Amino acid sequence: GQQVMQIPQYQHVQEGEDFTTYCNSSTTLSNIQWYKQRPGGHPVFLIQLVKSGEVKKQKRLTFQFGEAKKNSSLHITATQTTDVGTYFCAGGVSGTYKYIFGTGTRLKVLA
Amino acid sequence: ETGVTQSPTHLIKTRGQQVTLRCSSQSGHNTVSWYQQALGQGPQFIFQYYREEENGRGNFPPRFSGLQFPNYSSELNVNALELDDSALYLCASSGFPMGGEQFFGPGTRLTVL
Repeated sequence: GQQVMQIPQYQHVQEGEDFTTYCNSSTTLSNIQWYKQRPGGHPVFLIQLVKSGEVKKQKRLTFQFGEAKKNSSLHITATQTTDVGTYFCAGGVSGTYKYIFGTGTRLKVLA
Repeated sequence: ETGVTQSPTHLIKTRGQQVTLRCSSQSGHNTVSWYQQALGQGPQFIFQYYREEENGRGNFPPRFSGLQFPNYSSELNVNALELDDSALYLCASSGFPMGGEQFFGPGTRLTVL
């Protein structure tokens, strides 16, 4: 079946270092969403990308959608302790209302 | 906070029992999606309701069923509970069924013994 994988599974960084998580789908996606889930919390929407090759920025966060609409990345510049959590991508399945969430990347930031 | 509420917060059931989980969507939203999140994993899509109709379904057996009411709140029903059904159940509301931000509720933690 259709899968969305994320790497790495875990990442520990020193505060101030950069962080990147990568998302790869086995099939072409209609769009991709990114969510952040804090420990014990629920997913919180960060952004949606729709167009091939799209790049969006939110302060220290940069999101990219691949040209083939099968992969995406989230890059955080100069991490802060408030960035701690698990980052999920969610791929929209073309022609359906279904979203497939990735396996997630758990980020820990050491002060 | 998103304005999406879920009840109950926690629930303990035994294998074979039935459970009903409830979700109130954000004001103005007509679409509710349900997800199952096992510990340490990403949410898995169960199904979506749009204007009281099931709009799409993930790879879950028929013992997972749902309803959406005229006020767009929703229920998830699970029959014949199995141990593997233990998970966090999340509902997400959105303004339209395809694309767009999903607002998640706090979830219901279900434990099946």
